[in-house]
Amino acid sequence: GAGVSQSPRYKVAKRGQDVALRCDPISGHVSLFWYQQALGQGPEFLTYFQNEAQLDKSGLPSDRFFAERPEGSVSTLKIQRTQQEDSAVYLCASSPRWGAEDQETQYFGPGTRLLVL
Amino acid sequence: SQQGEEDPQALSIQEGENATMNCSYKTSINNLQWYRQNSGRGLVHLILIRSNEREKHSGRLRVTLDTSKKSSSLLITASRAADTASYFCAPTGGTSYGKLTFGQGTILTVHP
Repeated sequence: GAGVSQSPRYKVAKRGQDVALRCDPISGHVSLFWYQQALGQGPEFLTYFQNEAQLDKSGLPSDRFFAERPEGSVSTLKIQRTQQEDSAVYLCASSPRWGAEDQETQYFGPGTRLLVL
Repeated sequence: SQQGEEDPQALSIQEGENATMNCSYKTSINNLQWYRQNSGRGLVHLILIRSNEREKHSGRLRVTLDTSKKSSSLLITASRAADTASYFCAPTGGTSYGKLTFGQGTILTVHP
């Protein structure tokens, strides 16, 4: 079946611009995660959704970052007034409901590479 | 913090050799997962070992877990050029929903 998809794959923004990054999780997956990966580093947790509820946003670096998943499927990560330090790969991952055999496995999308000039 | 720290930072071997990577963590865990990341396939789950397990196999992968030492190792046997990637461990615990915390990873290069 289809995996996690993300769009756009690449985004170049001028400093101060707003950007919106989209994630389409695997159909039926309850949990959705966003991670930020700087060059040469491991992914860092940003936020977590269970269906449409955002249960953990402790990793969002500033109030310029906002995520939503209004219908419990597609999610959007929005970054307002982008700064150069926002340049990174943004990864989305989904995992199935608790009770599923692979409930703890996260399935990652290909990421969106954001470059802020 | 649940963050795992991988060691070594980089590993270079010849095709056919075995590769061993280590992971250390600081707090108690429910399970520990290993992921691989390369440019072609992104970040992919390899294997999960639970805190009450000591060893697990999956194909050419062997994972061990020593909770008393708070460490895990990933062994890749008979490596192939296609195994070239970054490998991350992610110890999990402390939340009910499986939030992952990654270290910097081990960069494995397998030369043909």
